[in-house]
Amino acid sequence: AQSVSQHNHHVILSEAASLELGCNYSYGGTVNLFWYVQYPGQHLQLLLKYFSGDPLVKGIKGFEAEFIKSKFSFNLRKPSVQWSDTAEYFCAVKGSNFGNEKLTFGTGTRLTIIP
Amino acid sequence: NAGVTQTPKFQVLKTGQSMTLQCAQDMNHEYMSWYRQDPGMGLRLIHYSVGAGITDQGEVPNGYNVSRSTTEDFPLRLLSAAPSQTSVYFCASWDSLYEQYFGPGTRLTVT
Repeated sequence: AQSVSQHNHHVILSEAASLELGCNYSYGGTVNLFWYVQYPGQHLQLLLKYFSGDPLVKGIKGFEAEFIKSKFSFNLRKPSVQWSDTAEYFCAVKGSNFGNEKLTFGTGTRLTIIP
Repeated sequence: NAGVTQTPKFQVLKTGQSMTLQCAQDMNHEYMSWYRQDPGMGLRLIHYSVGAGITDQGEVPNGYNVSRSTTEDFPLRLLSAAPSQTSVYFCASWDSLYEQYFGPGTRLTVT
């Protein structure tokens, strides 16, 4: 079975600070990895995804994530956060084997940016 | 394109009542799913479908039924509502690129 751990439950940063949110997954095979964002009162939107190739993935709004296979990690980064990045961030994993259509989410990290 | 739509947006039920949450997508996606979101637990998969007439269970299927008679629609039925089913429900659809598009959610309270 696949699972995802997000150890940071709530992160508070000042504007312009750098961000790194942790994500570790468990799965006995190759994976597809995702970061989703949920702004207050809104539904989830895809930030970025990794399927294969370059382990450094760039997404929307200046976010990036690095897949480190040896560490089973897919941490989300942003060099300088803005107040508008206040949201909840979810990491998700899907086994890439044929027939596996289940996407498993982590419990989320609430990010609060202080102006 | 409207994307993924869900109705109703809010619903209050009494214990034991049944209801259907509606979900529709206009992107011709083969895949659709239902999640529930609870504080501190993230999103948990209830049921999903890989095409019309094909559904399968997710992580937390008990108390819920689904069917997929058309590509566009994927309703979620609560058979006998319980307070433990108080949650926010999201429907999603996706294509072969596995980018899931989410609906706006239904906030359900069971008293």
